Amino acid sequence: EPEVTQTPSHQVTQMGQEVILRCVPISNHLYFYWYRQILGQKVEFLVSFYNNEISEKSEIFDDQFSVERPDGSNFTLKIRSTKLEDSAMYFCASSGGQDYGYTFGSGTRLTVV
Amino acid sequence: GESVGLHLPTLSVQEGDNSIINCAYSNSASDYFIWYKQESGKGPQFIIDIRSNMDKRQGQRVTVLLNKTVKHLSLQIAATQPGDSAVYFCAEKNNAGNMLTFGGGTRLMVKP
Repeated sequence: EPEVTQTPSHQVTQMGQEVILRCVPISNHLYFYWYRQILGQKVEFLVSFYNNEISEKSEIFDDQFSVERPDGSNFTLKIRSTKLEDSAMYFCASSGGQDYGYTFGSGTRLTVV
Repeated sequence: GESVGLHLPTLSVQEGDNSIINCAYSNSASDYFIWYKQESGKGPQFIIDIRSNMDKRQGQRVTVLLNKTVKHLSLQIAATQPGDSAVYFCAEKNNAGNMLTFGGGTRLMVKP
């Protein structure tokens, strides 16, 4: 069964450092997403990406965040200057359309120290 | 007081019994709904979905019911097994975009 793959599984970084979280969405999917889940809390939407541009973003997705699809397979989330409160599980997801096939990866646990 | 995280409602069932997990949603413009299962340290795993033009959909051992009148969604799991123990989230999408909004989750504990 096709999977969304995320690397690394765990990233520890110092406050103020830049991090890049990587994702390989399902190959024939067209929509790509990043969500995050602070420990013990709900899964929260960050951003959606379609046709090589951001289609929606939440209030969480401020100027410190950016996304990129540098080639035909990878989808990345960059946090420019990490803060302690950025510590969370970050999930990448992809879908074949707006109403089907939302598949999540197993996440990257980001710990900012 | 300081919030230490989301307090999850817990449903405890005996192995072999049926489970019903409920979810209330608030956006009447939501047109697509998904149930996800999340095990500790893992990502949300798709279980079943339903569009707003339906009120019931069945999968293998699972059934989703949608009541748009009262904005209520339920997940029924037949013959619950220990492997079903997890946190279950409902998620909704409104017809204006493709963002999923997740509910708070319910922890299902299956007693052998």
